[in-house]
Parts: sequence; structure tokens; C-alpha cells
Amino acid sequence: DQQVKQNSPSLSVQEGRISILNCDYTNSMFDYFLWYKKYPAEGPTFLISISSIKDKNEDGRFTVFLNKSAKHLSLHIVPSQPGDSAVYFCAASDYGNNRLAFGKGNQVVVIP
Amino acid sequence: NAGVTQTPKFRVLKTGQSMTLLCAQDMNHEYMYWYRQDPGMGLRLIHYSVGEGTTAKGEVPDGYNVSRLKKQNFLLGLESAAPSQTSVYFCASSLSGTVQETQYFGPGTRLLVL
Repeated sequence: DQQVKQNSPSLSVQEGRISILNCDYTNSMFDYFLWYKKYPAEGPTFLISISSIKDKNEDGRFTVFLNKSAKHLSLHIVPSQPGDSAVYFCAASDYGNNRLAFGKGNQVVVIP
Repeated sequence: NAGVTQTPKFRVLKTGQSMTLLCAQDMNHEYMYWYRQDPGMGLRLIHYSVGEGTTAKGEVPDGYNVSRLKKQNFLLGLESAAPSQTSVYFCASSLSGTVQETQYFGPGTRLLVL
């Protein structure tokens, strides 16, 4: 049973517009959340993270929002650029466990 | 500084054959991980290591063995490959085991078991 769920497997967006990726989790013990980005034929690379004591974390064009009561987080990319075309994985863990649970990923295509 | 490298990049095996996947990191990281990624699923942890000479089971360890004889290398072995082990395998490493510590991934090994 997947503890981290990413629905809407693919997203197409015009360059310059906002991309929003959603992630839901079921384990209430999760208190640290991460997003990884993956290009074809490469391994995932860390993008941004958020601790459960925050509800927002921003890094340049990337912002992650966390709603603990809804067990939901989202990644906003604004403005989207063609180089953002990739698969994005949501991951979660708790501080007492160094093991990450990953979602199945969302494909993002940014159209120039 | 190559980061995390994986050998081979692609391999085809017949059912019952054995093979070893090699992961190497040059960042002096203590922790190393093996994941597999299957279509429609996220990465799942197979085994991990918290330091040289130590290994532990992850979420899906059955059918795999691992060894960490040197700090920089983490080997994943398949003793008798099965079609269900067709997957893309990713190795990762991190400086420590805390969740805030970034895991750095290799480029992956694509394995096809016929």
C-alpha cells in the first residue's frame, strides 16, 4: 500500500505559466517531505524539502506548500521553463527513520 | 568528482543467472542505498548500509544480497535472477542518515530478465 501518492501522472504547461504538482500521504508519522526531479537516463536529484513545522518553503522559482491536516503537499514552479520538463517525485519520511517513501512521480512537460 | 556512479548501465539476463551491480561514490558518504523503480511505482528501497561492513534490509529485500566491504562501494547481487526483477536500479549515498541529509543518486542500471 503506497504511503505517498501522486495522482495526475502527467502535466503539460506553457512556458512562463505555473506548474502545480500535488502529493498526498497516508502515514501521520511523516514529518519531513522532499521533492526530487529526474531527467531521462539520469538519477533523481534533490529539489526542495519542507519540515512539518513549516507550511511553506521557497527556493527561487520553486515553492512547496504543506497542509498537515489534509496530509497534502504541493510543488509550485513559477514561471515554468522548458528545462523544468522532467519527472518529479514526492518523498516523505519521519525524523526517526532515515528511509524515504516515494510517490510514483509526475511527468511535467513545459511547452516553449 | 564523479559523485555516484553505477556499473553496468544496462544488462540483459536469463532467468536463473546471477549478476552483481556495482555502485561507487567519491564523496566519503557513510550511508548508501539501493532502490528499484518499476513502471507506475515510486522508488522502493531494497537494502541500505549505514557504514563500511554494515547492511540492512529495506522495503523489498527478497531475492537480493548486498555487501559494503569498502566505504566507497556498495554491491547489489542477484543470485538467481527472475523476470520480476526486471527494473531500473538506482544507487544513492548520503553523508549521514538523517532525513535532512540529501541523498545523491547514480544514473541507474536498467536490468532486463528474460
